Amino acid sequence: AQTVTQSQPEMSVQEAETVTLSCTYDTSESDYYLFWYKQPPSRQMILVIRQEAYKQQNATENRFSVNFQKAAKSFSLKISDSQLGDAAMYFCAYRPAIYNQGGKLIFGQGTELSVKP
Amino acid sequence: EPEVTQTPSHQVTQMGQEVILRCVPISNHLYFYWYRQILGQKVEFLVSFYNNEISEKSEIFDDQFSVERPDGSNFTLKIRSTKLEDSAMYFCASSVPGTAHNEQFFGPGTRLTVL
Repeated sequence: AQTVTQSQPEMSVQEAETVTLSCTYDTSESDYYLFWYKQPPSRQMILVIRQEAYKQQNATENRFSVNFQKAAKSFSLKISDSQLGDAAMYFCAYRPAIYNQGGKLIFGQGTELSVKP
Repeated sequence: EPEVTQTPSHQVTQMGQEVILRCVPISNHLYFYWYRQILGQKVEFLVSFYNNEISEKSEIFDDQFSVERPDGSNFTLKIRSTKLEDSAMYFCASSVPGTAHNEQFFGPGTRLTVL
């Protein structure tokens, strides 16, 4: 069974600094997708960034980037120039690549990020 | 921008009562999902639904739970006889077929409190 592990329950970063959130996963699949979701106090789940396992290039979205290490089954999120609005719970999630079908997301336990002004 | 909506935002019920949580997925989406998040814990998959039938369900989704798409727009989750441990945030999500990544768009959630 696939699992996702986030070993950092809480992280803190100074405003304008860079922070990296860790995520590891376990799967026997060769093709899959990895996601980082942000959950602010409103509890809405917001997709931050997505990585396709078949792509070697790490995904980037503005200040957010990932370090995807397929062999190590590691998928970390780097937030550059942290802003107060980045404070939230961040969830790493996995989904197998099943073309044209729905597929459940498997979430990690989450990392609570606080941003200090 | 289209979005998934959920009603009510907060539902309080007595143990043993039936509750129906409602979701309106994005209009051209064909896959629908329910997830649950107990306070302070991770988000857990409950069920996925496609073409008017359940495509996958988790161990959590037992006989107390059911899902339905009663019309062309709503997607509901029913809990027949609520238990204290059903207290959680329930998220609906939807996705559109035709792409492998099949991004799931989440609604704002319904907070269910069972007393």
